[in-house]
Amino acid sequence: DTGVSQDPRHKITKRGQNVTFRCDPISEHNRLYWYRQTLGQGPEFLTYFQNEAQLEKSRLLSDRFSAERPKGSFSTLEIQRTEQGDSAMYLCASSFGQDREFFGPGTRLTVL
Amino acid sequence: AQSVSQHNHHVILSEAASLELGCNYSYGGTVNLFWYVQYPGQHLQLLLKYFSGDPLVKGIKGFEAESIKSKFSFNLRKPSVQWSDTAEYFCAVSQPYNNNDMRFGAGTRLTVKP
Repeated sequence: DTGVSQDPRHKITKRGQNVTFRCDPISEHNRLYWYRQTLGQGPEFLTYFQNEAQLEKSRLLSDRFSAERPKGSFSTLEIQRTEQGDSAMYLCASSFGQDREFFGPGTRLTVL
Repeated sequence: AQSVSQHNHHVILSEAASLELGCNYSYGGTVNLFWYVQYPGQHLQLLLKYFSGDPLVKGIKGFEAESIKSKFSFNLRKPSVQWSDTAEYFCAVSQPYNNNDMRFGAGTRLTVKP
């Protein structure tokens, strides 16, 4: 499968713990996006990278959130000191330039 | 504020009925327009997109959408739905000359009764 992959698919954690998610984009795609989707809502943009550069961050991305794409390939999204409100599906997508985005299956986070 | 609005939260149709899902956006300037679909248990997939040219675009599975710039709308249509079209549909907008990040509507859940 040469699509976008995300790991883990599900994560259950206790409030206050740190979690890290990984996204592997389609190999030739230079752009990588992170979104968050809560129940009954559409995906909300969090941040995006062009190669290794983080070009935009949404106001939704508080100081507890950090994303990296160190070599312009895979990306990680870390949430520190998780809160119950962080429970959501975290989606990664990639694209080549301004072409359409291909979405991964998402990581479902549950914060107890 | 810039936003994407989908008028219907849940639409229920019988098979063979015609479908139109509304989408309006509040962005000025050049926009790229998309409809994505999420089937139960699957991840988001692109149905169709509009960048420029003919405002009536055709996508997969018999779907089409029309960009009406004067109304800031991009409604999705299908003349005859099937049970397999049951899914959640998301309208999305990006601005190619303004960071190009994509904004989604809240989604419309379509249930097609057999």
